[in-house]
Formats: sequence, structure tokens, C-alpha cells
Amino acid sequence: AQSVTQLGSHVSVSEGALVLLRCNYSSSVPPYLFWYVQYPNQGLQLLLKYTSAATLVKGINGFEAEFKKSETSFHLTKPSAHMSDAAEYFCAVRPSGNTPLVFGKGTRLSVIA
Amino acid sequence: SAVISQKPSRDICQRGTSLTIQCQVDSQVTMMFWYRQQPGQSLTLIATANQGSEATYESGFVIDKFPISRPNLTFSTLTVSNMSPEDSSIYLCSTRDGGDNQPQHFGDGTRLSIL
Repeated sequence: AQSVTQLGSHVSVSEGALVLLRCNYSSSVPPYLFWYVQYPNQGLQLLLKYTSAATLVKGINGFEAEFKKSETSFHLTKPSAHMSDAAEYFCAVRPSGNTPLVFGKGTRLSVIA
Repeated sequence: SAVISQKPSRDICQRGTSLTIQCQVDSQVTMMFWYRQQPGQSLTLIATANQGSEATYESGFVIDKFPISRPNLTFSTLTVSNMSPEDSSIYLCSTRDGGDNQPQHFGDGTRLSIL
């Protein structure tokens, strides 16, 4: 079955530092890939999506992700972390057309002043 | 994108009781999903609820425990029946419309605690 693996359940960075959240997918063909963010007591908000149009995808709040087929990865980055970026981040995959999203276990991002 | 409203936003219930969660969407959508997020965990799909057909449940979830209704293209309910403390979770409604490359959108969830 299609799945995603998020390396690191908790990542801590200093304010202004690079944010790197890792996601690897298992698939023999490029699937549809998404990153979501969940702030405390809220639902999930879409950050960005990969749909094969471009390998580097820009999202909201300064985040971007690069699809690397050779590494089966879709890591999320942001050049400079803000305190407001502290949240839970989920990588998700849609294996094929009408299937629902399958989520990774999530990575909690802490930003230290 | 669709705006999804869930009611109630949170509740505290006694074991053995049942609670119905409502999900209202501001536009017509074909596909609706219900997820469970246990404390500190990721999202697990409970079922897919498409209008005009029976809900499709994932392994480990059964209709008797989690009956779902989908009476039209903008509304769905999930009932958590005969609740136990293990049912304490966030329950999230999600929708998707459009093509295969479209994302799913989520409500803010219902935070359920069972005493």
C-alpha cells in the first residue's frame, strides 16, 4: 500500500534558521503529494501540493518543497523560521485518482527564540 | 476552496452514550471523508461518504460503531456510538472536489473526551 514516512517526530530550530522537514513516499509511479500544517486546536491547512507540473513547489507562508523522484522524497523547507511556524506538519499522499489521502505520522516543529 | 463547518467543536461525554457530529460544507462536493486523530497521533481514515451510496469503511472501523449519513452534497454526519474512553479523539470532516490533483480540505474538527 502507498505510504509516506516522515523522519523525525519533533524538529526544533532557532528563529531565523532553516527549516527542513523530511518526507519520503513509497510508490513505483509519482503520486500526488501534499503538505499540511495543523496549528493547536485547529484543523489541517494546505501548505502546498505536488501534481507533476513542476518539481519545486512553492506554498503559503514562505514554505516550499522539492519533489525528487530518484530519492522518492518531498521534503519541506523554509529559509528562515518564524515563531508563528511552530505547529504540526503532515505529509500526505494520494495514491491514485479517487482514493483519499494517506497521512504520515507528522512532525512537530518548535521554534526557539 | 470549500469552507467546512463542524458541530460541535468539542464535547465531553459519558461512556456508553452516543454523539452525532455534523459537517456542513458551503458548496456542493462529491467526496467527503471522516478521519480520526487520536491524541498526539496522525490522521486515520474512518470512512468515505459519497452522496447516493453507502459509506465505505476502512479496516478496523464498522458501521455499527460509526454510522454515517450523507443526505445531500453539502452535509454529512458521523455518529460515535456506545462511547468508551478509547474513543477520545479529534474527529475531522474532509472534502475534495475537482480532479485527481486537487487537495482535500478540512474542518476544524470535533474534540471529543469520554469520561
